[in-house]
Amino acid sequence: GNSVTQMEGPVTLSEEAFLTINCTYTATGYPSLFWYVQYPGEGLQLLLKATKADDKGSNKGFEATYRKETTSFHLEKGSVQVSDSAVYFCALSDLGTYKYIFGTGTRLKVLA
Amino acid sequence: DTAVSQTPKYLVTQMGNDKSIKCEQNLGHDTMYWYKQDSKKFLKIMFSYNNKELIINETVPNRFSPKSPDKAHLNLHINSLELGDSAVYFCASSPDGGGTQYFGPGTRLTVL
Repeated sequence: GNSVTQMEGPVTLSEEAFLTINCTYTATGYPSLFWYVQYPGEGLQLLLKATKADDKGSNKGFEATYRKETTSFHLEKGSVQVSDSAVYFCALSDLGTYKYIFGTGTRLKVLA
Repeated sequence: DTAVSQTPKYLVTQMGNDKSIKCEQNLGHDTMYWYKQDSKKFLKIMFSYNNKELIINETVPNRFSPKSPDKAHLNLHINSLELGDSAVYFCASSPDGGGTQYFGPGTRLTVL
């Protein structure tokens, strides 16, 4: 079955550091890939997505590229801010299946 | 203007009680979901409805019963609450199966 594997956290960085959160997936077919962010006390919200191989999703300085050859969708940001502190979830879905698979989440803490 | 709303935000109750959580979305989406998030932030899908019809029912105890009176509402009723039911429950909606999901703010359920 489909699955998503994320790097374990927590990840602690200083402000302006480079961020990478690894995400790999296993899927049959051609899933869509997503990154969601959850700020403390809130629900998840979409950060970025990619629907086919080689697509790059980007938002708020975050980027991730859909790599079919390595089955990966790593999240990157060049310079993190304290306000980026949150839990980040990688997810995949097959359009029309109504089912999402979420990774276990990676907590990011950015220190001033 | 809230897209996906849940009530109540907090729910504290005794073991053995029956409780309900309500969810409403004003986005006009066809698909709605219930998720359970445990203390380690692991997110697990429970149910999915499309146009008021149950699509996904993921190995959830029979004590949990979703009800969708119309496309915009998906409520969750829980009978005979147990300690292990303590978690944050999120409602979400999506315009299509497998597309971007829009989450509510969550309901923190504490069973004593």
